[in-house]
Amino acid sequence: AQKITQTQPGMFVQEKEAVTLDCTYDTSDQSYGLFWYKQPSSGEMIFLIYQGSYDEQNATEGRYSLNFQKARKSANLVISASQLGDSAMYFCAMREGRGTSYGKLTFGQGTILTVHP
Amino acid sequence: ETGVTQSPTHLIKTRGQQVTLRCSSQSGHNTVSWYQQALGQGPQFIFQYYREEENGRGNFPPRFSGLQFPNYSSELNVNALELDDSALYLCASSKQGSSYNSPLHFGNGTRLTVT
Repeated sequence: AQKITQTQPGMFVQEKEAVTLDCTYDTSDQSYGLFWYKQPSSGEMIFLIYQGSYDEQNATEGRYSLNFQKARKSANLVISASQLGDSAMYFCAMREGRGTSYGKLTFGQGTILTVHP
Repeated sequence: ETGVTQSPTHLIKTRGQQVTLRCSSQSGHNTVSWYQQALGQGPQFIFQYYREEENGRGNFPPRFSGLQFPNYSSELNVNALELDDSALYLCASSKQGSSYNSPLHFGNGTRLTVT
């Protein structure tokens, strides 16, 4: 079974509007972390935002916010006031459990976001 | 601080050959992990190195191997290259013992083409 599911292969948004990128996850761990990364065409992976399984508040980082619904196992990324530079591939990823697994993230298939002027 | 650097940026190899990819971790980071990203897919975890030993591995065959050096830099070696090994290889560093919400810091990747 897919651990991270991103059901939107591609999304389009008008500049200055908000957009939501969907992510659902599957884990039996009580402790886990959810990350969103942006990957422009250059290939680098840019960290955007993090949500921990025990965090009671939704994470926010500037124009990025995370709509975390634990019971539904969803962690959607909301980008407000879209900019042309936001056009990129976006990945949802999960770190499970505690201990030594700092380096292991499980990624979804990604969503390509295109921002129109 | 110096970020994660990978070399080379691009590489073309022939099926059956061997390849070595290199990664320098971010300053202060002691854990290196490697990922394979096929075109249009999400990155897949290959393995992680900490204290110069592999301490976590994804679903990759033994012909994928690695090394971590005392300065925390790392190499990914792939033997007997196959066409399906064509991908972007990403290196990421982190600090073992840091808080659980610490993100991985990725390099720009090495794009490997196997012909």
